[in-house]
Amino acid sequence: DTGVSQDPRHKITKRGQNVTFRCDPISEHNRLYWYRQTLGQGPEFLTYFQNEAQLEKSRLLSDRFSAERPKGSFSTLEIQRTEQGDSAMYLCASSLLASFNEQFFGPGTRLTVL
Amino acid sequence: QKEVEQNSGPLSVPEGAIASLNCTYSDRGSQSFFWYRQYSGKSPELIMSIYSNGDKEDGRFTAQLNKASQYVSLLIRDSQPSDSATYLCAVNNQAGTALIFGKGTTLSVSS
Repeated sequence: DTGVSQDPRHKITKRGQNVTFRCDPISEHNRLYWYRQTLGQGPEFLTYFQNEAQLEKSRLLSDRFSAERPKGSFSTLEIQRTEQGDSAMYLCASSLLASFNEQFFGPGTRLTVL
Repeated sequence: QKEVEQNSGPLSVPEGAIASLNCTYSDRGSQSFFWYRQYSGKSPELIMSIYSNGDKEDGRFTAQLNKASQYVSLLIRDSQPSDSATYLCAVNNQAGTALIFGKGTTLSVSS
């Protein structure tokens, strides 16, 4: 399977704990995106990488959120001091630079903060 | 605030009918437009992309774009129960990076 993969698929944590999610994009894709989706809403953009450079961040990405993409391959999204409002599906997508930005999504990580 | 608007539905059609889904967007600078299908509990799946005015057909799906009216639509011909899902309209931001999504339209196809 050469699609986007995400790990873990589900994460339950207590308020105040730190969590980290991983995304492996489609192998030849140089762009990688993180989105967040809550029930009844469309995905909301969080941040975007082109190769290893983080080029854009949404104002939704508070100081508690950090994302990395070392060596331009996989990416991690860390949430520090989780809050109940962080409960959502975290989606990763990837695209080719020259593809009119057709983005392909991974299965997502569902986060529940108790 | 750049926005993408969709009727939330539900849109109910009988099996074999044509389902018509509509979307409007506010950013005149947008150049790329997408339709995603999302089954309950799953992630969005890209089903159509369109970049120029007019129609684009792919199997039972036809996407229509009118940039002057800032309007995108998706037609599903010969609707099947397996088409029952939420359909998300997405528009590129002017930089061509982030996608801006509507809230989605829920389609229910009855057999």
